[in-house]
Amino acid sequence: RKEVEQDPGPFNVPEGATVAFNCTYSNSASQSFFWYRQDCRKEPKLLMSVYSSGNEDGRFTAQLNRASQYISLLIRDSKLSDSATYLCVGHRYSGAGSYQLTFGKGTKLSVIP
Amino acid sequence: DGGITQSPKYLFRKEGQNVTLSCEQNLNHDAMYWYRQDPGQGLRLIYYSQIVNDFQKGDIAEGYSVSREKKESFPLTVTSAQKNPTAFYLCASSHAGTVLTQYFGPGTRLLVL
Repeated sequence: RKEVEQDPGPFNVPEGATVAFNCTYSNSASQSFFWYRQDCRKEPKLLMSVYSSGNEDGRFTAQLNRASQYISLLIRDSKLSDSATYLCVGHRYSGAGSYQLTFGKGTKLSVIP
Repeated sequence: DGGITQSPKYLFRKEGQNVTLSCEQNLNHDAMYWYRQDPGQGLRLIYYSQIVNDFQKGDIAEGYSVSREKKESFPLTVTSAQKNPTAFYLCASSHAGTVLTQYFGPGTRLLVL
C-alpha cells in the first residue's frame, strides 16, 4: 500500500463550485501533513499545513481525521486560477532521527468558466 | 530576493554521458533535497543533505551522485548508470529541524537524446 494515496481525478468543476479532495495515509505514526499546489510544469508550492483541529485559509479548509487516516482539502467558490494539481503530503521516519516528506501522486483540478 | 534557483531549465543528455544539475539557495537553509518527478507520479527522494559535507541516499539514489561543499549549493550528477533519466528534477531546501516545511526550486527537465 502506498504511504499516501489520492484520487488522481481530474475533477472538472464550474466556477463558483465547492470541491473536496480526500487523501489517505498508511502510517498511523505520521504527525504532520500538508497540501501543496503544483501548476503544470512548475514546482510544488506549499498551500497549507493540516492540523488535527482543522484549519482554514480564505476559501481553503483542511481537515485531518486520524481515526480514519485521511486528510481532506475543501475549496469553496472555485476560481479559474485554482486549476492545478493538488499534492497531499505526509511524512515518514527515514532513520537516524531524520524525517522525510512523502508525496501523493496528486489530484488534478480544472475549474471551468 | 531570497529563493532557490536551479539551472539549466532544460538539459539534454546523450547516451553514456554524465550531466550535472545545479541547485543554489540563499535562504540560509541547512537542509537540501533532490527529488525526481515522472509524469503522473509523486515526487521521489533521490538524495538529501542536512548539513555541509554530509548527505544521505533517498529512495532512488542509484545512478545519481551529489556533493555538499557549501551550504548554498547542492549539485546533482546524473551518471550514465541511470538508465531512465528522463524526468523533472526538483531541488528543495528547509531549515534544520523543520525538514517538513520545504521550499522548491523551479526544476530542471532532463531529456535523453
